[in-house]
Amino acid sequence: QQQVKQSPQSLIVQKGGIPIINCAYENTAFDYFPWYQQFPGKGPALLIAIRPDVSEKKEGRFTISFNKSAKQFSLHIMDSQPGDSATYFCAASDGTGNQFYFGTGTSLTVIP
Amino acid sequence: DTAVSQTPKYLVTQMGNDKSIKCEQNLGHDTMYWYKQDSKKFLKIMFSYNNKELIINETVPNRFSPKSPDKAHLNLHINSLELGDSAVYFCASSQPAADTQYFGPGTRLTVL
Repeated sequence: QQQVKQSPQSLIVQKGGIPIINCAYENTAFDYFPWYQQFPGKGPALLIAIRPDVSEKKEGRFTISFNKSAKQFSLHIMDSQPGDSATYFCAASDGTGNQFYFGTGTSLTVIP
Repeated sequence: DTAVSQTPKYLVTQMGNDKSIKCEQNLGHDTMYWYKQDSKKFLKIMFSYNNKELIINETVPNRFSPKSPDKAHLNLHINSLELGDSAVYFCASSQPAADTQYFGPGTRLTVL
């Protein structure tokens, strides 16, 4: 059973566009929601993360929106650049640090 | 300074062989993980160790055996390799309950 559902599977945008990646979860015990960015041939790297006590978090061009009642969260990339082309994973954790559940990933392509 | 390192980066072997992948982290973290990423990029946790003690053992065949000689190292030994074991294996580490995971560069295992 997929604990974290992610969509879309792939996304193509023009440079400057705002790609949005969505994730949904069921387990209300989750209290930490990170996004990871993975380039080909590399390991995933933490991009930005949020906890349920806030509805939005922004770091540079990356913003997480969080809807606790709907159990959904999303990643927005403002003014996207070709260098943002990568696979993005959402994840959820119950805060123990012992278990993470990853979404299925979104392959983002930003066209120059 | 590489935070989480893995060796080897590539591993090509025949079915039925036994192989090991090594992982080391220099971040002083207490928790280490092994993940498997399949050809569709789905990232799934296999094992989680906290201070050399096994915490999580997902439904992984018992041909896979993690070993943690000390809290900076978590090695993965695989017996009787099968074609379906072909994947990229990632090691990661975090502080317990601190949530941010740091991933290694991955080991691409190909079983022929």
